[in-house]
Amino acid sequence: GDSVTQMEGPVTLSEEAFLTINCTYTATGYPSLFWYVQYPGEGLQLLLKATKADDKGSNKGFEATYRKETTSFHLEKGSVQVSDSAVYFCALTDGGNKLVFGAGTILRVKS
Amino acid sequence: DVKVTQSSRYLVKRTGEKVFLECVQDMDHENMFWYRQDPGLGLRLIYFSYDVKMKEKGDIPEGYSVSREKKERFSLILESASTNQTSMYLCASSFQALYGYTFGSGTRLTVV
Repeated sequence: GDSVTQMEGPVTLSEEAFLTINCTYTATGYPSLFWYVQYPGEGLQLLLKATKADDKGSNKGFEATYRKETTSFHLEKGSVQVSDSAVYFCALTDGGNKLVFGAGTILRVKS
Repeated sequence: DVKVTQSSRYLVKRTGEKVFLECVQDMDHENMFWYRQDPGLGLRLIYFSYDVKMKEKGDIPEGYSVSREKKERFSLILESASTNQTSMYLCASSFQALYGYTFGSGTRLTVV
């Protein structure tokens, strides 16, 4: 079945560092891909998404490009802030009613 | 602003109690979901519903049941709470997964 694999955390960075969180997927069709963010004590919020190959999703300085050839959707940000500390989840859907989530990656940003 | 509202942020219950977790959405979504989130285990799907009075088991339904009598409300029921059900519970709704889910803020349940 479909699955999502994320890099293990926690990822610890200093403020203004470059962020990459890796996400790869396995799917039989052409899935849509998502990144969700969960701030401490909160539910998940949709951060960005991409629905077809080579699409780039972006929001709040974060970006991710749908790479079909490498089955990847890595999350990047050029300069992280302390307020970006959160758990980040990669997810996919093959067009049905359910999302398949990765295990989540904890990001800690130090000032 | 669209919302998924979970009735309690924090809940403490005793072992053996029957526990109800309520979730209400105001977006007229057909699909609603209950997850539990535990450190190191990510999100695990307990139950979901595609329509009123309809339910499907997720990956970990044991010890839980659900009720969806109205489109906007999806309740998770712990028939006899146990300490291993101490967890963060997240409710979500969607029109179609292609458009993503909207999540509630979560209920942190402690069973003592």
